[in-house]
Amino acid sequence: EAQVTQNPRYLITVTGKKLTVTCSQNMNHEYMSWYRQDPGLGLRQIYYSMNVEVTDKGDVPEGYKVSRKEKRNFPLILESPSPNQTSLYFCASQMRTGADTQYFGPGTRLTVL
Amino acid sequence: AQSVTQLDSQVPVFEEAPVELRCNYSSSVSVYLFWYVQYPNQGLQLLLKYLSGSTLVESINGFEAEFNKSQTSFHLRKPSVHISDTAEYFCAVRPISGNTPLVFGKGTRLSVIA
Repeated sequence: EAQVTQNPRYLITVTGKKLTVTCSQNMNHEYMSWYRQDPGLGLRQIYYSMNVEVTDKGDVPEGYKVSRKEKRNFPLILESPSPNQTSLYFCASQMRTGADTQYFGPGTRLTVL
Repeated sequence: AQSVTQLDSQVPVFEEAPVELRCNYSSSVSVYLFWYVQYPNQGLQLLLKYLSGSTLVESINGFEAEFNKSQTSFHLRKPSVHISDTAEYFCAVRPISGNTPLVFGKGTRLSVIA
């Protein structure tokens, strides 16, 4: 089944404790992206990647890191999480940009205490 | 740069009534237009998209959207809603050329009341 998977789905952590949210897609897509969703703000893009070893900042990259060592994986790293990073995070992928449909993962709900 | 405005943050409607979710966009270049739907506790999934050709596009579950270039709008409509349509709906745009990401509106929460 074609899908985007994220792990974990739920995470509660404390300020400053490094964490990684994994994202994997099995559709051989070139383009991958991370978003955060907050009430009243919609989806805001954190980082995106056009292909392996190519990443770029989105609208809200501060406090986040990403890597794209393999085509299928695009982990999101929070080196020192803070409470303002409490949010719902989505990973997405698509073949390329333009008209292609973007496929979303199920989401990761992160709470930083 | 592009921007998307969804004029209503919440829309309550009775079952079997018609609904329109409004979307306006701003862009100096030609764009593709999308509507995504997010059901409770799920990720987003594509509902429909406008790429070119006929300005009226339809989804498999009875929604339709019409691209109006002069009004820079892409409103989503359904003539008769079901309880199962309760979800959040996001309008999004992306320029036709270049590698820029999708730009989303803030979403409209549709609540269908029995």
